[in-house]
Amino acid sequence: NAGVTQTPKFRVLKTGQSMTLLCAQDMNHEYMYWYRQDPGMGLRLIHYSVGEGTTAKGEVPDGYNVSRLKKQNFLLGLESAAPSQTSVYFCASSRPRGGQETQYFGPGTRLLVL
Amino acid sequence: DAKTTQPNSMESNEEEPVHLPCNHSTISGTDYIHWYRQLPSQGPEYVIHGLTSNVNNRMASLAIAEDRKSSTLILHRATLRDAAVYYCILRNYGGSQGNLIFGKGTKLSVKP
Repeated sequence: NAGVTQTPKFRVLKTGQSMTLLCAQDMNHEYMYWYRQDPGMGLRLIHYSVGEGTTAKGEVPDGYNVSRLKKQNFLLGLESAAPSQTSVYFCASSRPRGGQETQYFGPGTRLLVL
Repeated sequence: DAKTTQPNSMESNEEEPVHLPCNHSTISGTDYIHWYRQLPSQGPEYVIHGLTSNVNNRMASLAIAEDRKSSTLILHRATLRDAAVYYCILRNYGGSQGNLIFGKGTKLSVKP
């Protein structure tokens, strides 16, 4: 099993450009998440999905959109990138187990917006 | 989810035990205590979790205070590969979705 994979690993954008980050998991997990991590900080939730075709906003959703057309994939889109979106983006997946849920994280995508 | 408090940083010597503390004085009866760690330039990884009783697994042990207001993650023999940021997170049994609320964690340095 590959677990959770993220594409691309690193990207440089100019302000105003758009891009899509891809997350894929092969564990048949129902839940998927997108987090961002700024230097020296913990992770913050951007959007999440509790199943195919459903998405919801997290703590910092502004400037991002997501889609979950297939259970194994969760896409994060930036329509018009801003320097404030320079960050490391992590995807995670899990099975719903209430308080005992364990999340599996991808290796991250480093994004630099100039 | 209730808040946790951890020291910003700790140091350890290689092959010695490490005790990483976490305070969670506002924990509710249905909050599970989770620990994740993040190695440099990697995504977080699950370490261990528990509710009331102490827990052991191949990575670490979790000691939970009797009143559940604090817990300690124990690495029995630290290695250089254990140098990471360790996060103590509470997850409620009745949570509708599973997002984890990360604080700044404890940065563990391991000296050879």
